Amino acid sequence: QVQLVESGGGVVQPGKSLRLSCAASGFTFSGYAMHWVRQAPGKGLEWVALISYDGSIKYHAESVKGRFSISRDNSKSTLHLQINSLRAEDTAVYHCARSLTVPGTTPHLDSWGQGTLVTVSS
Amino acid sequence: QFALTQPPAASGTPGQRVTISCSGSSSNIGSNNVNWFQQLPGTAPQLLIYSYDQRPSGVPDRFSGSKSGTSASLAISGLQSGDEADYYCAAWDDSVNGVVFGGGTKLTVL
Repeated sequence: QVQLVESGGGVVQPGKSLRLSCAASGFTFSGYAMHWVRQAPGKGLEWVALISYDGSIKYHAESVKGRFSISRDNSKSTLHLQINSLRAEDTAVYHCARSLTVPGTTPHLDSWGQGTLVTVSS
Repeated sequence: QFALTQPPAASGTPGQRVTISCSGSSSNIGSNNVNWFQQLPGTAPQLLIYSYDQRPSGVPDRFSGSKSGTSASLAISGLQSGDEADYYCAAWDDSVNGVVFGGGTKLTVL
């Protein structure tokens, strides 16, 4: 069955960097666009970034542009999110999700991982 | 604060029909599909409705979606206690080149 498992979260000091990963299994990873969506404690969903099936197209939310970078390794069925210059407001559970729809259209996000918690605190 | 506006809360009794609205603009709902997600307590979100009114396999037909202009709605009929969850609408937004979510609606079954 489809599985998305995030890792790499933890407690990090402001200004530091972190790299999140999402291991995919149970489907043809290279055929899907992938997204990162975050949820601050007790808050709603916030879209973070997307990458096309082949990695050629990337979009990032304005709130993270210049600090976050999405990437993927289709040979390892893995999605990454490089997070730099962490701020307190980046504290959230980070979910990865897949979508068959092309970038530039509303993504289906039909499977989600359980998420990895990033806590930014000194 | 959110590009898509949802009521923060909704409620109903078992068996009742409830509707959750999602208001946007011409750059998101007005020109792109709307999806709805259900997030049960302590779990990851799940796709509930896509392309305004389509249900993924496994989603009961008690859940339905619609769209009119720059607004969309999620209707839940035959309300059950297991429907207590947070519900989010989402759409691509051409003005920001990204996905926008509504702030979420917490549904309580009385």
